[in-house]
Amino acid sequence: GAVVSQHPSWVICKSGTSVKIECRSLDFQATTMFWYRQFPKQSLMLMATSNEGSKATYEQGVEKDKFLINHASLTLSTLTVTSAHPEDSSFYICSADRTLNTEAFFGQGTRLTVV
Amino acid sequence: AQSVTQLDSHVSVSEGTPVLLRCNYSSSYSPSLFWYVQHPNKGLQLLLKYTSAATLVKGINGFEAEFKKSETSFHLTKPSAHMSDAAEYFCVVSGGGSNYQLIWGAGTKLIIKP
Repeated sequence: GAVVSQHPSWVICKSGTSVKIECRSLDFQATTMFWYRQFPKQSLMLMATSNEGSKATYEQGVEKDKFLINHASLTLSTLTVTSAHPEDSSFYICSADRTLNTEAFFGQGTRLTVV
Repeated sequence: AQSVTQLDSHVSVSEGTPVLLRCNYSSSYSPSLFWYVQHPNKGLQLLLKYTSAATLVKGINGFEAEFKKSETSFHLTKPSAHMSDAAEYFCVVSGGGSNYQLIWGAGTKLIIKP
């Protein structure tokens, strides 16, 4: 099956710094990628939809200036958590799809801890 | 609008006994439905999917699910639980429309007792 690689798998950073998370589709082109956030003991929440070559579409309540998304190529989308705070600590997962209404392919997830 | 309800936040079964994880959905479209599993500290893995073909779907690791339109259900089952099945399971419906999005259930934690 298709492979989506997410990097890093875990990161610890200090408050006020920025962290970049990469999501790569290794063997297919992904025109659309999705970024999710998982709070402890809760389900995944969609943060934004990232389309190659255009601005990301953010879900209600997600700060676009804090969670910067760049989808510069058909195989790479990045999520940058700017000026991170402890409440940003979470598990972030990206997914990519090839065609409509088929399974999505997920990255391994990134566990972010802000201290 | 689409929605997914996983009826149990936790399910506890003994090793070797059957597993039933319940999921109900609502969808304006003909839905695609998925079950994903997440083991501790690992990414998500697709167990199985329904995309308007056979209503009984077989997945990996002995899991299967049956799509019942009349009951708007897509319950996940396994005849005999194994310790390695302990994980969080998510029922998901596709968002449909022109942009593929996933609507997630809240998850069910499966606990396997020795």
